[in-house]
Amino acid sequence: SQQGEEDPQALSIQEGENATMNCSYKTSINNLQWYRQNSGRGLVHLILIRSNEREKHSGRLRVTLDTSKKSSSLLITASRAADTASYFCATDRFGAGKSTFGDGTTLTVKP
Amino acid sequence: DSGVTQTPKHLITATGQRVTLRCSPRSGDLSVYWYQQSLDQGLQFLIQYYNGEERAKGNILERFSAQQFPDLHSELNLSSLELGDSALYFCASSTSGQETQYFGPGTRLLVL
Repeated sequence: SQQGEEDPQALSIQEGENATMNCSYKTSINNLQWYRQNSGRGLVHLILIRSNEREKHSGRLRVTLDTSKKSSSLLITASRAADTASYFCATDRFGAGKSTFGDGTTLTVKP
Repeated sequence: DSGVTQTPKHLITATGQRVTLRCSPRSGDLSVYWYQQSLDQGLQFLIQYYNGEERAKGNILERFSAQQFPDLHSELNLSSLELGDSALYFCASSTSGQETQYFGPGTRLLVL
């Protein structure tokens, strides 16, 4: 099974609201990354957080990492209709040589 | 634009046929990854190459094979195609192996 599991599988909110997505993983990691995928398009990298970091910001995005709970969250503040997409977490494990993607959270932002 | 190119964009073929998907990584990236994305299976990692050599293998069927050439472009060969092989196939590249992956626009394969 995938290393990362996103929760919820689907999320629907109104424009202007905040969206929170969670990612849980099973083994120790080097980094955790979040990607966005618009329907039918390639994934786009959003943010990378290293295992020794607890929080990172990029514009309206805030990512937290709790290595003791093996979980991460992605917060999108003041959401816009253009944020409608699927969001994936990807974990980089020690010695694995590649990132492992979860199944994604589908976010719908209604105007 | 990620800098990763994939050709063709769309491919329609029949069961039993063989197709080749091509990927050119970002300039300077040594690692290439192939993924399959279908509605019921999600994003599935197939295989990774680093500087011409296979580095990691995922859920890649025996009917599928890939290679990375000296100029670092990669090809994914799909043979004896089945209806269930219809999917989006993505290529991604990265500098080495555990940093950001840059995804191409994908090849949409339809097997009839």
